[in-house]
Amino acid sequence: AQTVTQSQPEMSVQEAETVTLSCTYDTSESNYYLFWYKQPPSRQMILVIRQEAYKQQNATENRFSVNFQKAAKSFSLKISDSQLGDTAMYFCALEDTGNQFYFGTGTSLTVIP
Amino acid sequence: GAVVSQHPSWVICKSGTSVKIECRSLDFQATTMFWYRQFPKQSLMLMATSNEGSKATYEQGVEKDKFLINHASLTLSTLTVTSAHPEDSSFYICSARSPAGGQTQYFGPGTRLLVL
Repeated sequence: AQTVTQSQPEMSVQEAETVTLSCTYDTSESNYYLFWYKQPPSRQMILVIRQEAYKQQNATENRFSVNFQKAAKSFSLKISDSQLGDTAMYFCALEDTGNQFYFGTGTSLTVIP
Repeated sequence: GAVVSQHPSWVICKSGTSVKIECRSLDFQATTMFWYRQFPKQSLMLMATSNEGSKATYEQGVEKDKFLINHASLTLSTLTVTSAHPEDSSFYICSARSPAGGQTQYFGPGTRLLVL
């Protein structure tokens, strides 16, 4: 079975600063997908970024980028120029070749004005 | 694109009654939809995987007779909570996999269920 671990239950960052959310995972599979989802107070889950494990290049999406270290099984999310709207729960997730999704326990991020 | 809707967004019901929640993929066809349950300040817990035209696959510990799932078309899956009990009160979220989005799951806005 796969596991996803988010070791930071809560984090805060000053507006316009940069913050990194950590995620580690464990899987014996060689091909899988990794995701970061954002859940704001509205509780709507929003896809932030995705990464295919077979791709070495780190995914980026505007102010969001990942540091994917396959050997270390690490998948951290960097948010640059943090905005108040970034305040939310962030979930790291892994999807295996059996299309099963595994979520981490989440990191609550607060952007301070 | 890849929008998923849920209805209702909020429902209150009496103990012992049944409640149906609909999940629709609005701009794509989804052969597979998922149902999750989320408790306050916790992660999502997968309840079942819903495949169009076949029986749903339930996760261990989820009562299939209590949480009835029907995926009758490529754009609609329903979750019926039968004989609802106060401990069924929770936030239920569905998701659908878009073929154009690869393995990405797109989530509905969720349904808050309160059983009195």
